[in-house]
Amino acid sequence: GEDVEQSLFLSVREGDSSVINCTYTDSSSTYLYWYKQEPGAGLQLLTYIFSNMDMKQDQRLTVLLNKKDKHLSLRIADTQTGDSAIYFCAERGANYGGSQGNLIFGKGTKLSVKP
Amino acid sequence: NAGVMQNPRHLVRRRGQEARLRCSPMKGHSHVYWYRQLPEEGLKFMVYLQKENIIDESGMPKERFSAEFPKEGPSILRIQQVVRGDSAAYFCASSPPGQGGSGNTIYFGEGSWLTVV
Repeated sequence: GEDVEQSLFLSVREGDSSVINCTYTDSSSTYLYWYKQEPGAGLQLLTYIFSNMDMKQDQRLTVLLNKKDKHLSLRIADTQTGDSAIYFCAERGANYGGSQGNLIFGKGTKLSVKP
Repeated sequence: NAGVMQNPRHLVRRRGQEARLRCSPMKGHSHVYWYRQLPEEGLKFMVYLQKENIIDESGMPKERFSAEFPKEGPSILRIQQVVRGDSAAYFCASSPPGQGGSGNTIYFGEGSWLTVV
C-alpha cells in the first residue's frame, strides 16, 4: 500500500542548513508536498513539486526529488528559530477517480532550531 | 482573500454527545477535504466532497461519522455519539477546480480540536 516515511526529529543550530528527508512508495505519485505545522496550528503549505521535476527552489527552500529512489528532501537555508515546527511530507497519487484530494502524509519531522 | 475557515477551533463533548465541525473553503474553491490528526500522528484522509456530492469517503469510519457540503453554506463533519477515541484535531482543506477536477494546491484550515471527556 501507499506509505510515506520521515525521520521524527531533527535538531540544528541557527544559521545552519536543515535537510528533512522523506521516502514514499507510490511510484504513480503526481505531486509531492511539504507542509509546516506550528504547535496548535493548522498546516501551512510551504511548497510542492510535480513528479516530472527534480528540483524546485523558493527563497530559502529547496526541494529535491529522486523519483528512482522515491526520495524527497526539503532543505532550509540559514535556518532561523522561527522555523522550529513539524514538517510534513505528503504525496498525491495519480488516481483521478475518487482520490484526487487524498494526500498521504508522513508522521512529520519535528525541527528544533537552537540559538 | 480569507483562507479556509473552520469553527469551532476547540470543542469539548461528553461521551455520547454529537459534534459538528464546520468548514468554509477558500473563495473560488469547490473541493473540500476532511482529515483527522491523532496525537503524535500525521494527517489521515477521511472524505472528499464537492458541492452536494461525496466523491470519496474511503477514509471515513463506517459508523457515527458523516459529512456534507450543501449547495449553500459550509461543509459539515458530524460525529454522533462521540467516544474518547474521537478526540483529535480535524482539519478541513480546499482546492480550486483544475486539471483532473482538482487543483495542484490544497490549502488547510487551522483545524478543530475535539476533546471527548
